[in-house]
Amino acid sequence: GAVVSQHPSRVICKSGTSVKIECRSLDFQATTMFWYRQFPKQSLMLMATSNEGSKATYEQGVEKDKFLINHASLTLSTLTVTSAHPEDSSFYICSAREDSPKADTQYFGPGTRLTVL
Amino acid sequence: AQSVSQHNHHVILSEAASLELGCNYSYGGTVNLFWYVQYPGQHLQLLLKYFSGDPLVKGIKGFEAEFIKSKFSFNLRKPSVQWSDTAEYFCAVNARRMNYGGSQGNLIFGKGTKLSVKP
Repeated sequence: GAVVSQHPSRVICKSGTSVKIECRSLDFQATTMFWYRQFPKQSLMLMATSNEGSKATYEQGVEKDKFLINHASLTLSTLTVTSAHPEDSSFYICSAREDSPKADTQYFGPGTRLTVL
Repeated sequence: AQSVSQHNHHVILSEAASLELGCNYSYGGTVNLFWYVQYPGQHLQLLLKYFSGDPLVKGIKGFEAEFIKSKFSFNLRKPSVQWSDTAEYFCAVNARRMNYGGSQGNLIFGKGTKLSVKP
């Protein structure tokens, strides 16, 4: 149980295009999902908290107009990198928190490797 | 602000050696504590977690961790490592809200410790 999937696993795009990444909780509901970015040999950095039915909460320094988050259902959150540039190339990871007051555990997706040419 | 520090960047052990990875956090309130593992080419997986109760927590694959509140520490241990334990290990913490025991939600991660086990 508690499986989180991400799609696509890898994407290569041209500079200036937009890329959408999907995060799904497969066997549980998640009102709250999180988007992280992982740089080589570094830890995960939280980008934003995605809340079903409401606006995402962005961490300081993360451009909300560049990284659009939509959490349309209890099992799906999407991250759209708009007008991507080479510096946006990174490994993007989502996690989903199980909907239970005491569950409080995040389950991680396999990540999406984005390369912007 | 919360922060998590992992003392070792890279640990190299021989099989059957004992393991202890350090993790310290800074936060004045009540926290939930986690260890995640990332095997080569795979995604993060939950190894173990501590919310409350017995401060010695047992996780999967023979790992355990001990929460020492006075030291703000949550060190990960395994008595005898195997080659298959080669991976990166992340300590993480989130603040626990006091109303119903849920947390603020977001995890703060340490920088990770890479463990290499020589066969």
